[in-house]
Amino acid sequence: NAGVTQTPKFRVLKTGQSMTLLCAQDMNHEYMYWYRQDPGMGLRLIHYSVGEGTTAKGEVPDGYNVSRLKKQNFLLGLESAAPSQTSVYFCASRFNGFNQPQHFGDGTRLSIL
Amino acid sequence: SQQGEEDPQALSIQEGENATMNCSYKTSINNLQWYRQNSGRGLVHLILIRSNEREKHSGRLRVTLDTSKKSSSLLITASRAADTASYFCATDSYQAGTALIFGKGTTLSVSS
Repeated sequence: NAGVTQTPKFRVLKTGQSMTLLCAQDMNHEYMYWYRQDPGMGLRLIHYSVGEGTTAKGEVPDGYNVSRLKKQNFLLGLESAAPSQTSVYFCASRFNGFNQPQHFGDGTRLSIL
Repeated sequence: SQQGEEDPQALSIQEGENATMNCSYKTSINNLQWYRQNSGRGLVHLILIRSNEREKHSGRLRVTLDTSKKSSSLLITASRAADTASYFCATDSYQAGTALIFGKGTTLSVSS
C-alpha cells in the first residue's frame, strides 16, 4: 500500500518550459489536492478535485492547470514555467467529506531558472 | 489566505521537556487538525479534533480546542529528538469547501 505517490521528486526547468506533475493514490479516495509550499508561507491550495472528472480552483491557481481523468490520478500542469513557480509541490488526498485526515505525498521540488 | 496562525514560529527545547504550540483561526470550523512535517518529507496527520470536542489525546500528544476563542493548542509531552519537525494546524470548514486551510507552522527543535 503506497499511499500517495508523486513523480518526479525533483525537477529543474527553464523559464517558458512546460511540465506535468503526477500524483497517484491507491486508497480509493474521492478528494485530491495540489498545494505549493514556500518558505514562511505554509501550504497554499492550488487546485483540487472532489471526484473523477471534476476540478476546482484553490487559493493560487494562476499559471497551473489540472486534470482528474482517473480517480486515482491527479495531474498538475505548468504550461509556461516562471521563476515564481519555484516551490515544493505537495499532493494530498482524502476519503470524502469532513472529519477525515488528508494523506500527503513526499513532494516534488521544482526549480525554474 | 491562511486560516490558522501558529505561535510561536519557532521553538527550541531540551529532550524530556514539554512543547506547546498554539493555533488561532478566524472563522467557524467543522474540525481542526494537526500535522507534522519532517525535513524534506510530506505532512503526516497527527490528530483531529471536532468542533464539539474540547480536548483529545493521542499518545504523548494532547490537543485542546476553544471555539469561543477560536484557538487550539498542541502539547507534546516528554519531547524526544525525533519530535524535531514543523507542526501545522489546519482548519476544516464548510466555507472552504473540502480543502483544509493550513497555517504557516511552528518549527520545533528538540536537542539531546
